Amino acid sequence: KAGVTQTPRYLIKTRGQQVTLSCSPISGHRSVSWYQQTPGQGLQFLFEYFSETQRNKGNFPGRFSGRQFSNSRSEMNVSTLELGDSALYLCASSFWGGSYNEQFFGPGTRLTVL
Amino acid sequence: AQTVTQSQPEMSVQEAETVTLSCTYDTSENNYYLFWYKQPPSRQMILVIRQEAYKQQNATENRFSVNFQKAAKSFSLKISDSQLGDTAMYFCAFRSPNTGTASKLTFGTGTRLQVTL
Repeated sequence: KAGVTQTPRYLIKTRGQQVTLSCSPISGHRSVSWYQQTPGQGLQFLFEYFSETQRNKGNFPGRFSGRQFSNSRSEMNVSTLELGDSALYLCASSFWGGSYNEQFFGPGTRLTVL
Repeated sequence: AQTVTQSQPEMSVQEAETVTLSCTYDTSENNYYLFWYKQPPSRQMILVIRQEAYKQQNATENRFSVNFQKAAKSFSLKISDSQLGDTAMYFCAFRSPNTGTASKLTFGTGTRLQVTL
């Protein structure tokens, strides 16, 4: 079974631009979560989607948004990029329904904002 | 809100030796899930081991085992017979069973483990 895939793997943008990151979950997984990883703040939860609905949101400004499609693929969008948005963005999928709801992570998208 | 603390930013261990990584957490919930994730230089997060708070028996996965002390809110990871491939960043994570936050993980700051010859 293929793992979680994220595209693109690397991205360079300039301040003020917007960016869209994509995540394809493991087949059969209906929950997708996004995390931001930075050296200063560590791993922080952005949001979670299940059945095309946002179920939970972390403490991030409204510039960060996401969506989920009927095939469970998810995208996250960051508008009006700031230097501080430079980070590794990780996507994780889970089955939802199992006792652990174990999350499987993708390789991440490294976003650099210049 | 839950918090997870890893007090050891870096650790080093020789190959074939045993090392223990510490993790403490704070929560008012009675049932929850705890995880250790490994993030090697490739940055792919890999689940190492998991523990449900209701289960008193400590989880074990091959060379990896945990010491779960619920009353002390402690969840340490023991790696036996360390191998060079164990070199990575290790994150302790907490998840509430509350359905409203079913998948959200709260991570610690991580411990960088270096396995040396």
